[in-house]
Formats: sequence, C-alpha cells, structure tokens
Amino acid sequence: SQQGEEDPQALSIQEGENATMNCSYKTSINNLQWYRQNSGRGLVHLILIRSNEREKHSGRLRVTLDTSKKSSSLLITASRAADTASYFCATAPYGGATNKLIFGTGTLLAVQP
Amino acid sequence: NAGVTQTPKFQVLKTGQSMTLQCAQDMNHNSMYWYRQDPGMGLRLIYYSASEGTTDKGEVPNGYNVSRLNKREFSLRLESAAPSQTSVYFCASLIRNYGYTFGSGTRLTVV
Repeated sequence: SQQGEEDPQALSIQEGENATMNCSYKTSINNLQWYRQNSGRGLVHLILIRSNEREKHSGRLRVTLDTSKKSSSLLITASRAADTASYFCATAPYGGATNKLIFGTGTLLAVQP
Repeated sequence: NAGVTQTPKFQVLKTGQSMTLQCAQDMNHNSMYWYRQDPGMGLRLIYYSASEGTTDKGEVPNGYNVSRLNKREFSLRLESAAPSQTSVYFCASLIRNYGYTFGSGTRLTVV
C-alpha cells in the first residue's frame, strides 16, 4: 500500500515560475524525503526533513512538513526547463529500524521554456 | 565513484525463464534495497538487506529471491518469470540520515 500521495499528479508551468507539489501520508514518520526522477533514469535524492523539523531549504528547494496534518510540500522557485521531471515523496515510518522508504506515486512536472 | 551499478540495463525474457539482476555499490553502505516501478504505482519495495548476511521481504516479494553476496553486492533473482513482472527494477543503498542512492535501473519485459 502507498504511504504517500502526491498532489497534483501533473503540473505544467512556465520557466521562471514557482512550482509547488504536495505530499500526504498516513502513519507517523521518522523523516520524509523528496526525490527527482528524470525520464528513463534512476531517482536522485533531493532533501530530507526530520519529523521534528518544520521547514528546510536547499538551493531553490524549500520543503515544509506538518506532522499534525501528515503532509509535506516541495517548492521549487524560479523553475528552469531542466527541472522537468517526476518528483516523489518518500516516508520513513516511525519505529522502522531498517530505513525502509515508502514512496508515493509522484508528480510529473513540466517546465515550458 | 560509480555509486550503485545495476546490470543489465535492458532484458527481454520469455515466460518461465529465469534471470538474475545484479547490483553493486562502492560506498561501503550497510543497507541495500530492491524496488520495482510500475506506471501510476510509484516504487514498491521487493526485498531489502539491512546488513551483510541478512535479507527481508518487502511489500511485493512473491516470485523473487535475493542474495546479499557480500557488503557490496545484492542480487535479485526471478526463478520463473511472468508477464506481471514486466517492470523497471531499481536497486538502492542507504546513506544513513541522508537518503538513498539509486542505480539507473533495469528495464525488464516478460513476453
């Protein structure tokens, strides 16, 4: 069963605009991570936010976490055509000793030049 | 500096054939994972190995076996391939408190 569900499933924006993707999950977590996948490639780790953190930044990425609502958002500012990819959230369930991640179904982002 | 290496990159099998997907990491990570990715379903965990010598089932283990040969290598075996196993398979290893490093994937078609 999927832990995370991303919203929207697909997003199309113009270069320079901001892109926001949301992730909802079901159970308590140790941390939540975001990954990017370019077409035909493997996933690349973007950012990890722990359950006791509310916001984290990395370059043009901003991630928020609301554990009371069991949700997270990924904001990409000043998007570029190279940001076109699928974005996945993944959760590490609380109490999991083996760091198994449960992935959502992803948001497909298209950035138009 | 290869990270996680998967072989082969592409494979076509006939129903009932067997094959082994290979995965190796050169980062001295303890934990390794096998996922499959199907359209609209995200990634689902098949098997994982928390450390050398241990393996455990994930969400969708049926039809698969694994072997953690040593700390570097974690292989996935399909004993009798079925069309339902047509998928893209990803191996990953864990950077503790950071995240996964993924291989580039194996695209498997079972006809």
